[in-house]
Amino acid sequence: AQKVTQAQTEISVVEKEDVTLDCVYETRDTTYYLFWYKQPPSGELVFLIRRNSFDEQNEISGRYSWNFQKSTSSFNFTITASQVVDSAVYFCALSEPNRDDKIIFGKGTRLHILP
Amino acid sequence: KAGVTQTPRYLIKTRGQQVTLSCSPISGHRSVSWYQQTPGQGLQFLFEYFSETQRNKGNFPGRFSGRQFSNSRSEMNVSTLELGDSALYLCASRDHYEQYFGPGTRLTVT
Repeated sequence: AQKVTQAQTEISVVEKEDVTLDCVYETRDTTYYLFWYKQPPSGELVFLIRRNSFDEQNEISGRYSWNFQKSTSSFNFTITASQVVDSAVYFCALSEPNRDDKIIFGKGTRLHILP
Repeated sequence: KAGVTQTPRYLIKTRGQQVTLSCSPISGHRSVSWYQQTPGQGLQFLFEYFSETQRNKGNFPGRFSGRQFSNSRSEMNVSTLELGDSALYLCASRDHYEQYFGPGTRLTVT
């Protein structure tokens, strides 16, 4: 069965520190998609990235980077030089397009960036 | 393009009542999904509609239902409300594999 685990429920770091959010997934399919979403205090989920299972290249977007490793079933998210505006809940998610294609979310990691 | 819109944004209902929430997807998106978010259970998938047909369903009781109209707008209905139905209900519209969320409807059941 598909499952996403975000073991870190809450993290606090001081502004300008780097922080990594962990995501471990389970799937029986060889074709799947992984996602990260950000949920700021306003409540709206903001799409950050989608990665398909055949593309293990790491991705960098400004201060954000993602490390996808199929060998460990992990899709970790790093924020470099964190800022107070990065404070939010971050969700990792998985979908299996050849199965039911539902997007299943992890429980989320609440990130506090302290000034 | 306008984003996903949800109405109402906030709602207070009493146990036993029913409620209808509305979602308008991004123009051109034909898939609409609904999620329930609670502090204890996180984000849980309710159902997905595509071209007016329910394509997927989560593990929720039959009190939770939905529908989609020909213009892709979707509604979800919860009948016989229980205290545990208090949650943020999020709607998302999908363009291939990228899903965009609305601001949610916060439902409080008293």
